[in-house]
Amino acid sequence: AAGVIQSPRHLIKEKRETATLKCYPIPRHDTVYWYQQGPGQDPQFLISFYEKMQSDKGSIPDRFSAQQFSDYHSELNMSSLELGDSALYFCASSRGGRNVAGELFFGEGSRLTVL
Amino acid sequence: KNEVEQSPQNLTAQEGEFITINCSYSVGISALHWLQQHPGGGIVSLFMLSSGKKKHGRLIATINIQEKHSSLHITASHPRDSAVYICAVKETSGSRLTFGEGTQLTVNP
Repeated sequence: AAGVIQSPRHLIKEKRETATLKCYPIPRHDTVYWYQQGPGQDPQFLISFYEKMQSDKGSIPDRFSAQQFSDYHSELNMSSLELGDSALYFCASSRGGRNVAGELFFGEGSRLTVL
Repeated sequence: KNEVEQSPQNLTAQEGEFITINCSYSVGISALHWLQQHPGGGIVSLFMLSSGKKKHGRLIATINIQEKHSSLHITASHPRDSAVYICAVKETSGSRLTFGEGTQLTVNP
């Protein structure tokens, strides 16, 4: 069965560069969540989308932006990268938005290293 | 105090042992997830609970909504069960998950 697909799996950037991470949810899933997990830390919620609209916002820096497209895939854009942005970025998808406790499926994550 | 607390933080067991990991939370939730994370990062969702008990193979998860507590049990543990197990709750007021700090499980042969 198709899972949540994230790309790229690994990304190396230098300070002040930009990076774009992509997330393709499970077919028919309309809700996408982004999480950031620093080394040795718990995942922290960044932002979520339901039906192509932002549904919730967490600790996402102003340097980051994200959107969900008509095919429900989502992209996380990160600019002016800092060393502290080095982390594993997870995407998860579900069906039904914030008011439905739908089962979550996680991608394998995109590991960003900022040098 | 964290909204989601897990115990123990680290657990070492011998192959075949029965294992219990506990999770307590302090907020109102619509669902609780048990997740497994292997070295290298990928997260796998094991269970989603809103009440009662679920079983999948050697894994059993229970939740007591009144006591705001959940447990994950592994029967006949195996070295391949070695991973970080994470409890995460979806609060009733939002869509995000709040994660516990995880339990590092090591099962020795």
